[in-house]
Amino acid sequence: QSVLTQPPSASGTPGQRVTISCSGSSSNIGSNYVCWYQQLPGAAPTLLIYRNNQRPSGVPDRFSGSKSGTSASLAISGLRSEDEADYYCSAWDDSLSGQGVFGTGTKVTVL
Amino acid sequence: EVQLVESGGGLVQPGGSLRLSCAASGFTFGNYALSWVRQAPGKGLEWVSAISGSGGATYYADSVKGRFTISRDNSKNTVYLQMNSLRAEDTAVYYCAKRDSYYYDSSTYIDYWGQGTLVTVSS
Repeated sequence: QSVLTQPPSASGTPGQRVTISCSGSSSNIGSNYVCWYQQLPGAAPTLLIYRNNQRPSGVPDRFSGSKSGTSASLAISGLRSEDEADYYCSAWDDSLSGQGVFGTGTKVTVL
Repeated sequence: EVQLVESGGGLVQPGGSLRLSCAASGFTFGNYALSWVRQAPGKGLEWVSAISGSGGATYYADSVKGRFTISRDNSKNTVYLQMNSLRAEDTAVYYCAKRDSYYYDSSTYIDYWGQGTLVTVSS
């Protein structure tokens, strides 16, 4: 079961900025780091953001993460066609005996 | 280059068993915790299980606890997921994933994923 809630879809035109929200609670986002993963069509997920706002090497700085209270956000600036994908947030949940949880996922469409 | 290659998926009847394997390369295997994550067709990601670098600590989602067993053989750079008493709702692509640390805890995260193996539970 997903305890992190994301909007099912988001869209923008090339060059625009798109923001995806991830809403949780005090037991997950409120007290733990958030990660973001990108899943291109037909592919496995890849790490996009870790520890709330850190980018792995190779991830463009168009992608940025933030966290405030029990919510987190992923922003994609300068939207490109290759950004069309599913995006998932993830966090540890202290109430689930050491279980990691993922968000419900957001499909980003580039118009 | 980190590589994780899953195998062992397939079609199995409800109540049956299957063992998934994940062969790893490109990093010092025993120094990192590993996870299994699944994705039902057209659905989102669901964390299934995790194991520490030594294999001494294991963790399971409530949905699979008592039915699935995670293990690893550090001499073979391979992690396994033994799945018993399979149900239709276990149908999914199962991904093997490397974590960024020896331990599985709240400060760690998945940094690499395999390509996945499909498990279909159906009569």
